[in-house]
This record gives sequence, structure tokens and C-alpha cells, in this order.
Amino acid sequence: QIQLVESGGGVVQPGGSLRLSCAASGFTFSSYPIHWVRQAPGKGLEWVAVVWSGGTDKDYADSVKGRFIVSGDNPKNTLYLQMNSLRADDSGVYYCARGWQRLPPGYWGRGIQVTVSS
Amino acid sequence: EIVMTQSPATLSVSPGERATLSCRASQSFTNNLAWYQQKPGQAPRLLVYGASTRASGIPARFSGSGSGTEFTLTISSLQSEDFAVYFCQQYNNWPWTFGQGTMVEIK
Repeated sequence: QIQLVESGGGVVQPGGSLRLSCAASGFTFSSYPIHWVRQAPGKGLEWVAVVWSGGTDKDYADSVKGRFIVSGDNPKNTLYLQMNSLRADDSGVYYCARGWQRLPPGYWGRGIQVTVSS
Repeated sequence: EIVMTQSPATLSVSPGERATLSCRASQSFTNNLAWYQQKPGQAPRLLVYGASTRASGIPARFSGSGSGTEFTLTISSLQSEDFAVYFCQQYNNWPWTFGQGTMVEIK
């Protein structure tokens, strides 16, 4: 059974850092694109980052480029989103999602809340 | 970046009726367009990709169409479980972008 479980969210002060984890099961995550998508409270969806299958090619939204870094731990089948220099507008629910080739993701985690506030 | 605009913002429909949701892109592309359904407190659920291909397990009452800059999601006969927010999303250019959503509510 394919599952993605996010963890590591919480409350952090502006300028702080947080690392989200996305634990994958039922498949080998390095063989598929894994996306991070976020949703601000009561708002729409925003693509944050993607690591394409193989793990070498990554893309980031302009709003997080230079602040967020995606990395993976193959033995743990886990993907990480390191978030630095956090701002209030980074607050929201963060989802990881599994795609296939260049198609939109069909498997999503339940999401994890990130709140940036003093 | 490609801006996706959905209309209407809210659609009031009675159960059993047809619902038609629109999505317009700021740039033309062929069919790299997806539709998602999202219910409160849940992750988005992929309904359609390639503008018209239903994702696995999606009922036939959901159908997508369109190309270029105009796309449509049609729900032929609304069931109680279909009342939710629907998002379109283009995956033709990075960054992939979503529309702002259409809420389908019970009339």
C-alpha cells in the first residue's frame, strides 16, 4: 500500500528553520518524482518544490528558492524539506505527494502544519 | 509563470444536477491540465490529468475537456460526496500552478 507521511511541522519564529520529513512506504521514493505542495490557511495550493526521479534534478518555486532545500535518505525511504529563513507567509499545511514521470501526483500525504509566528 | 483562473468562485447545485466548472490559462498549452477535488481537512485528490483522462478509481460522472487556454470539468450528476472545492492545475511549465478553486455547494 502506497503511503506518504509528513512530520516535523510546528511553530517557529520568523527567521527560524524547520525540517519536514516525508516517509514513503509501499514504493521506492527515489524511483518517482516527489513533490512538496503547501496551502496557506483558507487559501489555494502552491507548488513548493519537486525532486524528480533519480534524485539529482530538483525544482523550486521562486518564493522559496535559496531558502528551502530538498534532500533524500534512500535507506530510510524518506524525503526532507529543509526550510530556512522562514517568513510568516510560509505558514500553512505542507503536503508531500508522489508523481509519475512528468504527470501530476496521484498519491498525497495527509499534510503537516507549519506556523511561522512570533 | 502561467496564471490559472477558475470560475465561478462558488457554484450552488442541487444533488443530481450537472455542474460545469471552468478554468482559463494565461498562456496556451495542449493538454497538461489536471483537476483535483479537496474536502475540508483532507489532501487534494487527483481526478483528471491530461485534460480529459480520469485518474484511477474516479467515477465516470467526472469528465474533463478543453485545450489551449480554456478547460472544463463536468460532474454529470452531483452526488452528496461531490460537494467540495475543485482546483485546476497546469503542469506544462514550471512552476506548476493552480487555480484559486471553485467551491461546489449544496443549493
